[in-house]
Amino acid sequence: EDQVTQSPEALRLQEGESSSLNCSYTVSGLRGLFWYRQDPGKGPEFLFTLYSAGEEKEKERLKATLTKKESFLHITAPKPEDSATYLCAVHTGTASKLTFGTGTRLQVTL
Amino acid sequence: GAGVSQSPSNKVTEKGKDVELRCDPISGHTALYWYRQSLGQGLEFLIYFQGNSAPDKSGLPSDRFSAERTGGSVSTLTIQRTQQEDSAVYLCASSFSDSSYNEQFFGPGTRLTVL
Repeated sequence: EDQVTQSPEALRLQEGESSSLNCSYTVSGLRGLFWYRQDPGKGPEFLFTLYSAGEEKEKERLKATLTKKESFLHITAPKPEDSATYLCAVHTGTASKLTFGTGTRLQVTL
Repeated sequence: GAGVSQSPSNKVTEKGKDVELRCDPISGHTALYWYRQSLGQGLEFLIYFQGNSAPDKSGLPSDRFSAERTGGSVSTLTIQRTQQEDSAVYLCASSFSDSSYNEQFFGPGTRLTVL
């Protein structure tokens, strides 16, 4: 059975304090790893897709990386507006659905 | 362009009643997914459609849950004889196709509360 584990569950950073969120996975036949951002009361918003180990993608202060066992979402010099829950999900060869982790709640304070 | 829309945004019902939740996908998207998000839980897959067919219904928790999609567009998720454990946010997503190369775009969700 596909499993996705995210850590930490919650993270509090000061503005400008860089950090990384972890997503480890155990799947059969990874077809894609997805990162989403979810604000309270809203649906998840797509950020990145990674397909193979060694791949990296960047968007503003966010950078996602992928290895054969885990993915990291690096946040550089975060701002309060980066506060949200960040979700990791995998798409495997056995199904078209996404299997999600439980997310990391990020709070960035001034 | 318009994103995925869902209605109602909130639904409060009494235990034992039936409810219908609606999803309007992005125009041109052939794949449509239903997920459920309970407090403290990750998103849980329920069912997905490719066109009007549902190749994977494996996530439906019981036979009280059903879904249909008509005209390759709008989908309705029906929960019969609702129970308190059905309380959750029900999220719909659509994608251009069911390939892993197409990201899923989510709607705002329907918050269901069963009293």
